[in-house]
Order: sequence, then C-alpha cells, then structure tokens
Amino acid sequence: QQQVKQSPQSLIVQKGGISIINCAYENTAFDYFPWYQQFPGKGPALLIAIRPDVSEKKEGRFTISFNKSAKQFSLHIMDSQPGDSATYFCAASTNQFYFGTGTSLTVIP
Amino acid sequence: DAGITQSPRHKVTETGTPVTLRCHQTENHRYMYWYRQDPGHGLRLIHYSYGVKDTDKGEVSDGYSVSRSKTEDFLLTLESATSSQTSVYFCAISTVGLAGSNEQFFGPGTRLTVL
Repeated sequence: QQQVKQSPQSLIVQKGGISIINCAYENTAFDYFPWYQQFPGKGPALLIAIRPDVSEKKEGRFTISFNKSAKQFSLHIMDSQPGDSATYFCAASTNQFYFGTGTSLTVIP
Repeated sequence: DAGITQSPRHKVTETGTPVTLRCHQTENHRYMYWYRQDPGHGLRLIHYSYGVKDTDKGEVSDGYSVSRSKTEDFLLTLESATSSQTSVYFCAISTVGLAGSNEQFFGPGTRLTVL
C-alpha cells in the first residue's frame, strides 16, 4: 500500500509557467515532508522540506504548501525553466522515509 | 554526490547467482541506507544501518541481507538473485537517524539486471 500518493505522473509546462505537483498521505504520525529532485543517471537530491507546524515554505522559485487538515502537500515551481526538467519525488517520514511514485516534469522552452 | 560511491554502477547477472553491491562513504556518517527504485513505486527502503554491525530491516527487505564491518562501507547482498530484483539501487547516508529533519544524501545508483 502506497503510504504517499503523488500526482500527476508526468507534467509538461511552458517556460515561465508554474509547475504544481501534489502529494497526499494518511499517516498523521508523519513529521517531516521533503521533496527530492532527480536528474537522469543521478541519485535524488533534497530540494526543499517542511514540517507539519508550518503551512508554507519558500526557497527561491520553489514553494511547499502544506495542508495538515487535508493531509496534503504540494510543490510549486514558479517561473519554471528547462533546467528544472527532472523527476520530482515527495516523501514523508516517521521512523523511516516513504516516497511518492515520482513526477516527470518537462519544461518546454 | 556528497562523498558516496557505489560499485558496480551497472551489473547484469543471471537468476540464482549471488550479487553484492557496495556503498562507500568518505563523510564518516553514522547512518547508511539501501533503497531500490522502480517505476510506479518510487524509492523503497531495503535495509539501513545505524552503526558498525548495527543494521535493521526496511520496507522491502525480503531476499536481501546487509553487512557493515566498517563505518565507511555498507554492503547489500542478494543471496540468490531473482528477476524481481531487477532495479536501480541507491545508497544514502545521513548524520541524523531515521526520524526528524533528516537530510539524506544519495549515491549515484547501481543498475542491476537479473536475467
């Protein structure tokens, strides 16, 4: 059973547009919600993370929105660039990490 | 890749053969992890280690064993490889344990194909 559900599976966005990736979870014990970025042939790299006592966290063009009551969190990439084309994974952790299934983002020039 | 190397990077083997994957770190981190990555499943934890000779099972540990005799090395062994173990395997390290604000650094991965 997938602990963290991620959507969409793939996403195509025009350069300069906003990319939005959503994740949902059920286990209210999760206390840390990171997003990872992965380029082909590379390992995932931490992009941004949030804890459940905060509703939003912004780092440059990347923002996490967190809705504790709905048990959902999302990644927003503002002013998307071709260099952002990658696979993005959300995750949630208690005593171990549970990853979403990934979103393949393509930003068209 | 945060001082993490994995070897081999690619391996093709036959069903029933033993396979050992190696993860080596230069950062002296206490915690090390093995994940597998499969389409439609994301990353799933196989085993982890919280110190030399201290290991525990993750979400998908069946068919795998691990060993850690030195801080810098974490070995993943498939005693008798099966086609269902065809995957990309990632090693990760962290300074903090499994819980909390735990930034994990991932290695470059090993692509294993079991024929």
